[in-house]
Amino acid sequence: EAGVTQSPTHLIKTRGQQATLRCSPISGHTSVYWYQQALGLGLQFLLWYDEGEERNRGNFPPRFSGRQFPNYSSELNVNALELEDSALYLCASSLQQGARENIQYFGAGTRLSVL
Amino acid sequence: GEDVEQSLFLSVREGDSSVINCTYTDSSSTYLYWYKQEPGAGLQLLTYIFSNMDMKQDQRLTVLLNKKDKHLSLRIADTQTGDSAIYFCAAPNQAGTALIFGKGTTLSVSS
Repeated sequence: EAGVTQSPTHLIKTRGQQATLRCSPISGHTSVYWYQQALGLGLQFLLWYDEGEERNRGNFPPRFSGRQFPNYSSELNVNALELEDSALYLCASSLQQGARENIQYFGAGTRLSVL
Repeated sequence: GEDVEQSLFLSVREGDSSVINCTYTDSSSTYLYWYKQEPGAGLQLLTYIFSNMDMKQDQRLTVLLNKKDKHLSLRIADTQTGDSAIYFCAAPNQAGTALIFGKGTTLSVSS
């Protein structure tokens, strides 16, 4: 069974550009979570989608947005890129909504570098 | 606020046991997790424990949970060089809408 897949593996952009990151959850999983792992800041929760709706977002500016498609895959969009957006972006999926009782499985991540 | 804390570094010799400790603040957590991250890779779920358990053993891994003290530990028996990685403790936030991660413990295993 395929795990969580993310694309691209690496992404290089310049300041001010937009980045689009993609995630395909494990088959049967309806919830998708996005996390940012920036150097020195640890793993920070970004967004949670379930059944096509945004259910929760972390403490990030509105230029971080995303969506979930009918097949439960998801996109993370980062507009007006800043140097500090350089990080590993991790996607996770879980069987049902909610983080309390549903195990999150992670993809390998997309490394975004902003020059 | 909600927080998960763990020590940043641990260095052991091959064959020894490793113990990584974690404390969390949210007492309503149901599942608590340990993830492993190797260099340049994503997070691999190592193990998890339900909050009504005190201990869970899975091959070389033993998880101990002290709910009263909100303390979680991961013991790796017979530590191997391949165990060198960053280990993250994680707990759901109070609303159950996201996982809160510790900053990660870097385990270094020398032969």
